[in-house]
Amino acid sequence: DSGVTQTPKHLITATGQRVTLRCSPRSGDLSVYWYQQSLDQGLQFLIHYYNGEERAKGNILERFSAQQFPDLHSELNLSSLELGDSALYFCASSAQGTSYNEQFFGPGTRLTVL
Amino acid sequence: DAKTTQPNSMESNEEEPVHLPCNHSTISGTDYIHWYRQLPSQGPEYVIHGLTSNVNNRMASLAIAEDRKSSTLILHRATLRDAAVYYCILTRNSGYALNFGKGTSLLVTP
Repeated sequence: DSGVTQTPKHLITATGQRVTLRCSPRSGDLSVYWYQQSLDQGLQFLIHYYNGEERAKGNILERFSAQQFPDLHSELNLSSLELGDSALYFCASSAQGTSYNEQFFGPGTRLTVL
Repeated sequence: DAKTTQPNSMESNEEEPVHLPCNHSTISGTDYIHWYRQLPSQGPEYVIHGLTSNVNNRMASLAIAEDRKSSTLILHRATLRDAAVYYCILTRNSGYALNFGKGTSLLVTP
């Protein structure tokens, strides 16, 4: 158990809909990262927040957005969903905002868009 | 960003040592070498990282070539539980995200 929790575990929805994925980092970790894992693209970095502020963006679509709240939990919002958005979404946390701190990954949310 | 090259797959017998290679010929002086692994149906987990010197921890050892253009993750005695995809990742000292490539899928046979 990494200490990072993600809800829900599974999500099934239809094209065009909007969903919110939630992540609670390990106690004390200020950084939250979101990654997407699909069969064709592999594991891709989406976005990084540090203590409530956006730090870096990766291959995140404009239809996707995220935020980190004062209690440090984070939410990833996916809208106008397409079939290709079906993937595993992982959240990770680390103690500081630099890449040489170990990242702890949650169990993921499996999104299926029908 | 500097790229890494890993074999697509490797196979090992249980209780044998495993050497997982990674080439990173365009590595810069400030790049850290990280290894993560992903067990089936789980999120990735940190294994080890280093900059210039060889590193050991309870999970594995990391051997870094003198010119830093390659590194090797060493699992001293593979177990069935070590079957996973192993990712070799370079990160800049000012970077934050992990750029996962395709990794090496390790199969451990009894």
